[in-house]
Amino acid sequence: EAGVVQSPRYKIIEKKQPVAFWCNPISGHNTLYWYLQNLGQGPELLIRYENEEAVDDSQLPKDRFSAERLKGVDSTLKIQPAELGDSAVYLCASSLQGGEAFFGQGTRLTVV
Amino acid sequence: AQTVTQSQPEMSVQEAETVTLSCTYDTSENNYYLFWYKQPPSRQMILVIRQEAYKQQNATENRFSVNFQKAAKSFSLKISDSQLGDTAMYFCAFMRGPYSGAGSYQLTFGKGTKLSVIP
Repeated sequence: EAGVVQSPRYKIIEKKQPVAFWCNPISGHNTLYWYLQNLGQGPELLIRYENEEAVDDSQLPKDRFSAERLKGVDSTLKIQPAELGDSAVYLCASSLQGGEAFFGQGTRLTVV
Repeated sequence: AQTVTQSQPEMSVQEAETVTLSCTYDTSENNYYLFWYKQPPSRQMILVIRQEAYKQQNATENRFSVNFQKAAKSFSLKISDSQLGDTAMYFCAFMRGPYSGAGSYQLTFGKGTKLSVIP
């Protein structure tokens, strides 16, 4: 069975440019998470979906970040415009309710 | 909000020895789940072990075991017979249970412990 797939693996952009990350969760997993991970730190939740509904987006900087999960499957996380401080690894994870979260390999974003 | 604290930023252990990583958490809930994840330099987060709060028996998974002290809100990970491949960041994580309304299944991580296994 395929795991959580994220793309791209790496992205370098100039500040003020837009960027988008894509995540395909494990088939059948209704919960999808987007986390931000700074170097040497633990993941910090940006947004969590239950099916297509965003049930926890309190940590998402809504002035520049947006996310969607159409049809309750794939998800896209967008930053517009990107700032230098957005450089980090963006992790996507999925789970069944109450089950362990399975993670993708993440996207390393560098804003220059 | 739930908080997860890992008080050891870095640890090292000799190959074949045993090491224990500490984790404490803060919650007022009775029904929740606890996890230890491993993140090697490849960045892939991998589940090591899982514990349901309603289970009194400590979870074990081969060389990995936990000491779950619910009253003390402590959840430590013991790695026996340490191997070079155990070198990684280890994250303790707390997941709220199903009866927390919009917060159900919220997953919160600690800041991690960097473990180095020395040959």
